[in-house]
Amino acid sequence: EVQLLESGGGLVQPGGSLRLSCAASGFKFNHYGMNWVRQAPGKGLEWVSAISGSGNSPYYADSVKGRLTISRDNSKNTLFLQMNSLRVDDTAVYYCATNLTQGVFWGQGTMVTVSS
Amino acid sequence: QSVLTQPPSVSGAPGQRLTISCTGSRSNIGAHFDVHWYQQLPGTAPKVLIYGDLNRPSGVPDRFSASKSGTSASLAITGLQIEDEADYYCQSYDSRLNGWVFGGGTKLTVL
Repeated sequence: EVQLLESGGGLVQPGGSLRLSCAASGFKFNHYGMNWVRQAPGKGLEWVSAISGSGNSPYYADSVKGRLTISRDNSKNTLFLQMNSLRVDDTAVYYCATNLTQGVFWGQGTMVTVSS
Repeated sequence: QSVLTQPPSVSGAPGQRLTISCTGSRSNIGAHFDVHWYQQLPGTAPKVLIYGDLNRPSGVPDRFSASKSGTSASLAITGLQIEDEADYYCQSYDSRLNGWVFGGGTKLTVL
């Protein structure tokens, strides 16, 4: 069974940092690209970042370039999102998600609140 | 402004059939990238209704179906039920943005 479990969310002040994790299981983790998607309160879904299976190719939405960094540890089947210089408008539920041969899978999300 | 365009809202009576459209461009749906559809209830993670243009995960009723043509896709729901009230999103991949793109979401109301 494919499972994605996010963690690391919380309350942080503007300008602060946070590191999100996504523990994956049930599939060959290093064979698939992974994504972070976020949803601000009352808003739609927004793709944030993606990384290839090898970890060599990261991609970012313009809104987060230079502030958020995606990475992965294939030995631990874990995806990360390092979030620096956080802004109030980064407040959202952050989901990790992947498109496998057998379908698209999402985690349950972790809430990030940026507020003073 | 979302890359994929969906109607903000649709409504129908129980038992009716309705469709939700999703319009993209030549760099996403028109480039034959897969379209996926999600249902989201308040406070919950998106649930995959359709993946790979027209495939239903196990457990999704066959009342839900999807199609794609050119730069557009659509989700059809037949035999509308009260529990279908939710937000629906389409998603694809965009070769210019090198990432996933979403529609703005459609709020379905069952009258």
